[in-house]
Amino acid sequence: DAGITQSPRHKVTETGTPVTLRCHQTENHRYMYWYRQDPGHGLRLIHYSYGVKDTDKGEVSDGYSVSRSKTEDFLLTLESATSSQTSVYFCAISVTSGEYEQYFGPGTRLTVT
Amino acid sequence: EDQVTQSPEALRLQEGESSSLNCSYTVSGLRGLFWYRQDPGKGPEFLFTLYSAGEEKEKERLKATLTKKESFLHITAPKPEDSATYLCAVQDMFSGGYNKLIFGAGTRLAVHP
Repeated sequence: DAGITQSPRHKVTETGTPVTLRCHQTENHRYMYWYRQDPGHGLRLIHYSYGVKDTDKGEVSDGYSVSRSKTEDFLLTLESATSSQTSVYFCAISVTSGEYEQYFGPGTRLTVT
Repeated sequence: EDQVTQSPEALRLQEGESSSLNCSYTVSGLRGLFWYRQDPGKGPEFLFTLYSAGEEKEKERLKATLTKKESFLHITAPKPEDSATYLCAVQDMFSGGYNKLIFGAGTRLAVHP
């Protein structure tokens, strides 16, 4: 358990509404990531952060923005949700202490109707 | 372009019937290859990181091996509780850093009593 929580765990929203997902970690890890998981596509990186206020785009960043104002929190925002953003969203942190490991949170299931 | 392909997509085994899952990868330079287990409705659970060809790691009934083009996850005498989706991911040392992972679509394993 890497001390990662995500909120909300489930959300249903309507097309065109803004949505913010939160990832919280308790162990002050520098690197944090947002992925989405869809059938047949595996996990795809949306955005990542390498420190407070330091973020960059992943492979599927269109329609998403992120913010990190504190080490422990990484927020993912869908400015105007679309049905194509219906997915399961996972937050992750990376740990490098001898070995390199990346740990995932429990996920948020988002449905856009 | 970095790519990860897992096979088979799904595998059904009888309890005690050993088998292997395959992960083929293409990267400019491999920094690490990762195996995860994912149960339905949960986040991926870290299993192993492999760094160089010839390396092997074991955990209970699982053994991961690595060559220059692929990795195998060997499951010896599986039990029903080994049923899950197994994910493979790679980190490319030329991907710009920040520990970004590229995932395969996964292999769904079902072990029947």
